[in-house]
Amino acid sequence: QQQVKQSPQSLIVQKGGISIINCAYENTAFDYFPWYQQFPGKGPALLIAIRPDVSEKKEGRFTISFNKSAKQFSLHIMDSQPGDSATYFCAARGGTSGSRLTFGEGTQLTVNP
Amino acid sequence: GAVVSQHPSWVICKSGTSVKIECRSLDFQATTMFWYRQFPKQSLMLMATSNEGSKATYEQGVEKDKFLINHASLTLSTLTVTSAHPEDSSFYICSASRAAGGEDTQYFGPGTRLTVL
Repeated sequence: QQQVKQSPQSLIVQKGGISIINCAYENTAFDYFPWYQQFPGKGPALLIAIRPDVSEKKEGRFTISFNKSAKQFSLHIMDSQPGDSATYFCAARGGTSGSRLTFGEGTQLTVNP
Repeated sequence: GAVVSQHPSWVICKSGTSVKIECRSLDFQATTMFWYRQFPKQSLMLMATSNEGSKATYEQGVEKDKFLINHASLTLSTLTVTSAHPEDSSFYICSASRAAGGEDTQYFGPGTRLTVL
């Protein structure tokens, strides 16, 4: 019940296209859903986060869509650029996990020029 | 703001030696710090959670005597890998949680690559 399922495992997108990464969770006590971006050999960097009281949050080219009834949330990267090529992790926190984050398996995004 | 540093960024050691990794929150006081381990092309695996001045809480399967965590202040936590062996080679990442204004966001350090020969 603590798991967060992320898909796809890898994604190849052309420059200018839309990248979409999906996550699903089971624990309805989760109340905070961040997305992290990680480049090779670096630590994850917080990209954008959402709470379940809103259905969408947008920051620049990055948008989180949240579907509370389906227990799913997704990251959309508009106008994808080669510099966006990285591994993206969704995560969730709350309930009995307290402040601990439960991470998805990660999605390796490649944006071709 | 919200910068977390780690030192060293990489370390190579001989089998049987101990290695200490430092994690510092540079511009905020961290209520909680976390230590993760990451293998190539895998997700982050939480090893332990530590609060300043109290004992760390280890995740199931993580040997507390092997991975010693000290959280001496609100800006510094250390992870010591004792009697390191090649299977301990990994990417170790810390994060610091800042509770401010109702938010409780984890900010990650740049990671430490440990190679045990």
